Amino acid sequence: ETGVTQTPRHLVMGMTNKKSLKCEQHLGHNAMYWYKQSAKKPLELMFVYSLEERVENNSVPSRFSPECPNSSHLFLHLHTLQPEDSALYLCASSKRTGGDTQYFGPGTRLTVL
Amino acid sequence: KQEVTQIPAALSVPEGENLVLNCSFTDSAIYNLQWFRQDPGKGLTSLLLIQSSQREQTSGRLNASLDKSSGRSTLYIAASQPGDSATYLCAADSGNTGKLIFGQGTTLQVKP
Repeated sequence: ETGVTQTPRHLVMGMTNKKSLKCEQHLGHNAMYWYKQSAKKPLELMFVYSLEERVENNSVPSRFSPECPNSSHLFLHLHTLQPEDSALYLCASSKRTGGDTQYFGPGTRLTVL
Repeated sequence: KQEVTQIPAALSVPEGENLVLNCSFTDSAIYNLQWFRQDPGKGLTSLLLIQSSQREQTSGRLNASLDKSSGRSTLYIAASQPGDSATYLCAADSGNTGKLIFGQGTTLQVKP
């Protein structure tokens, strides 16, 4: 498998559930990102990891908890979400942070009931 | 605070036309400007990246220009095809953390 993969592709959860989104990159990159794309809003950066260290947290609520166990894997743990958190969550990777092309996965479409 | 704006929000053209998509940004202190394509319900595909020291980049029928002094970038698509129909997004890379600031996008429809 090549590029950036994300699982699951679709997720429906209740406000009291706990779920996790997974991202894996097969490009040998050192930086990974989580973005949120809501309807009628620009794509927003959530978190940036460089060599498994978080280097950017874009004022994201604590109900979103990222985890980067190694440079190939990135998780987004979700708990007690709100309906307004329903969106397309995109993962991306790049060789390094700053100045390099970012390669995106297909996204996870999240619906919070 | 960097803000990125794309005009127009939507564009419909007949097949074969040449077209220009516009992107403007408020802070000229950028590392690079990136153009992406997004098909409905899908992730983003990188099209072109223009470093802050460059004026333009070309890939096939696509040409992107960058004018930092005026805070503008354009994406030129030559001889448009129905397969070019998608949403085109520009993003400014403003810092060493790789934080991209995206515009709202231009949704392009190319009619056969």
